[in-house]
Amino acid sequence: EVQLVESGGGLVQPGGSLRLSCAASGFIFSSHWMHWVRQAPGKGLVWVSRINTDGSSTTYADSVMGRFTISRDNAKNTLYLQMTGLRAEDTAVYYCARRGMTTVTPFPFDIWGQGTMVTVSS
Amino acid sequence: DIVMTQSPDSLAVSLGERATINCKSSQSLLYNSDNKNYFAWYQQKPGQSPKLLIYWASTRESGVPDRFSGSGSGTDFTLTISSLQAEDVAVYYCQQYYSIPLTFGGGTKVEIK
Repeated sequence: EVQLVESGGGLVQPGGSLRLSCAASGFIFSSHWMHWVRQAPGKGLVWVSRINTDGSSTTYADSVMGRFTISRDNAKNTLYLQMTGLRAEDTAVYYCARRGMTTVTPFPFDIWGQGTMVTVSS
Repeated sequence: DIVMTQSPDSLAVSLGERATINCKSSQSLLYNSDNKNYFAWYQQKPGQSPKLLIYWASTRESGVPDRFSGSGSGTDFTLTISSLQAEDVAVYYCQQYYSIPLTFGGGTKVEIK
């Protein structure tokens, strides 16, 4: 079964750090670009970051640039999001998502994880 | 950034009736080199993660019932549920994947009247 499972969320104080993980299974992880998308409570979907297949290229939303780092370990079939300098406005469910096609053509997210909740509060 | 504007914010439709959701982008999503619209629709049921319904504006993802259809091109797009079922209660999001940052519409909540 094709699956993404996030972990690592929790309660953290403002200014703190957290590392999210996303374990992939059931497909060739190293062939797909991967993304993080977040959703604040009761709000819509917001794209956060993406990484190419070998990890050599990363892109970030302006709101997290310089604070968040996306990475991947293809040997472990795992995607990561290192979050530092966390703010109250980073509170959200964080989803990892797979870009559907394995070619360079842009494509939407065909597989999503179940999400992990990050709460930034004192 | 490309701004995606959905309408309405919510709608209530009777079972078996048609539901129509609109999405407008602030710039064209039609890529001239391949004549494809880099546009998708997702469904998010309560307590679940989003699910891809439609891509390239009108191509149904595998397994998606044919009562769901997408249309439109350029900057104006529509998702139609031809005969609403109880299991279609959800929030629907449009998304552009034409350029970074990838952006979503604000969502349309579909309920049963």
